[in-house]
Amino acid sequence: EDKVVQSPLSLVVHEGDTVTLNCSYEVTNFRSLLWYKQEKKAPTFLFMLTSSGIEKKSGRLSSILDKKELFSILNITATQTGDSAIYLCAGGSGGSNYKLTFGKGTLLTVNP
Amino acid sequence: NAGVTQTPKFRVLKTGQSMTLLCAQDMNHEYMYWYRQDPGMGLRLIHYSVGEGTTAKGEVPDGYNVSRLKKQNFLLGLESAAPSQTSVYFCASRAPLLETQYFGPGTRLLVL
Repeated sequence: EDKVVQSPLSLVVHEGDTVTLNCSYEVTNFRSLLWYKQEKKAPTFLFMLTSSGIEKKSGRLSSILDKKELFSILNITATQTGDSAIYLCAGGSGGSNYKLTFGKGTLLTVNP
Repeated sequence: NAGVTQTPKFRVLKTGQSMTLLCAQDMNHEYMYWYRQDPGMGLRLIHYSVGEGTTAKGEVPDGYNVSRLKKQNFLLGLESAAPSQTSVYFCASRAPLLETQYFGPGTRLLVL
């Protein structure tokens, strides 16, 4: 059974702090690792990683994948209150029946 | 371009009642998915479809049925609702050869 584990489950920081969110995975026929941000409603896509060691960046957010050790991290620098959300990590598996297995998420709260 | 839409947004059912949740996408995506999200549980896959007329079971299919009669629509049915099915239900879709799933706004279901 595929498994994705995120840590920590929740985190409270002050504006301006840097945070690192962790995701480890055990996914059969692994193809990709995806990060989503979920505020009040639907998850919105952040990054997809398929190759080891390559960093994806978007503004203050960045992510890297280690396919040997089976984990990924999501970094957020200079956090803002608008970064408060649940961050979901998902492992993608399979061929034509490709599907995602999600972790439980990390609830990030950024206080002013 | 509405993306992925879901109806209804919110529903209250009594135990034993039936209902159908509708997901519609206007992106001509082949693949569609139904998830449920419970507090602290992340997203769990209920059923999915790799194309019109096809469906497959996900991680937690019991108590649900699905149909994909038209490419743009994916219906999730509860034949006899139970309190354990109280949850937020998300639909998602994706295009072939692309691994990013796009989510609808969710349906909040309360079963009393």
